[in-house]
Amino acid sequence: ETGVTQTPRHLVMGMTNKKSLKCEQHLGHNAMYWYKQSAKKPLELMFVYNFKEQTENNSVPSRFSPECPNSSHLFLHLHTLQPEDSALYLCASSGRLASEETQYFGPGTRLLVL
Amino acid sequence: RKEVEQDPGPFNVPEGATVAFNCTYSNSASQSFFWYRQDCRKEPKLLMSVYSSGNEDGRFTAQLNRASQYISLLIRDSKLSDSATYLCVVGGSNYKLTFGKGTLLTVNP
Repeated sequence: ETGVTQTPRHLVMGMTNKKSLKCEQHLGHNAMYWYKQSAKKPLELMFVYNFKEQTENNSVPSRFSPECPNSSHLFLHLHTLQPEDSALYLCASSGRLASEETQYFGPGTRLLVL
Repeated sequence: RKEVEQDPGPFNVPEGATVAFNCTYSNSASQSFFWYRQDCRKEPKLLMSVYSSGNEDGRFTAQLNRASQYISLLIRDSKLSDSATYLCVVGGSNYKLTFGKGTLLTVNP
């Protein structure tokens, strides 16, 4: 399935590195999301974009910086991360911004911060 | 009370068994309810939406009790391929979804 793609699938980075995660959706959706999934914890919503405008920043530290150049692409820029930021980062999209809409997830980027 | 709370699991059942997952939610204003499935090292995928009248999809039955703020998922005649983590998901009046921690199910031959 290639509805929502994410790259890279795995990433190891040091605390001083800068890297970017990329998400692309091929579903014609208008809303896109970044989630963080840590071990033993529920998915945490990080950012929400609707028609490429940010509508939600869920108290995420500034070392995470999202970018949405258009409705199909979403980036998460990472810099000076901490080891506790190691997690699975999932991108999702939905047709519109409403809780009853199904969200389609990408395969995620598994991030390890050393 | 946690926003969305699920059975901690894990559940280990033999093939053919019936297994039930329970979930409670704290926000009485919640409006949409789902069960997602997440296979090991994969992304979550929608299994089914949950409606007040209850709904069934093959071997899967979902129930919602708004008065008790309780959601359930019943899997009948479980298959090896049902092994996964089942996530209870609740949506509010805005667009946000709140996920439970999930319950791991392993179906054994």
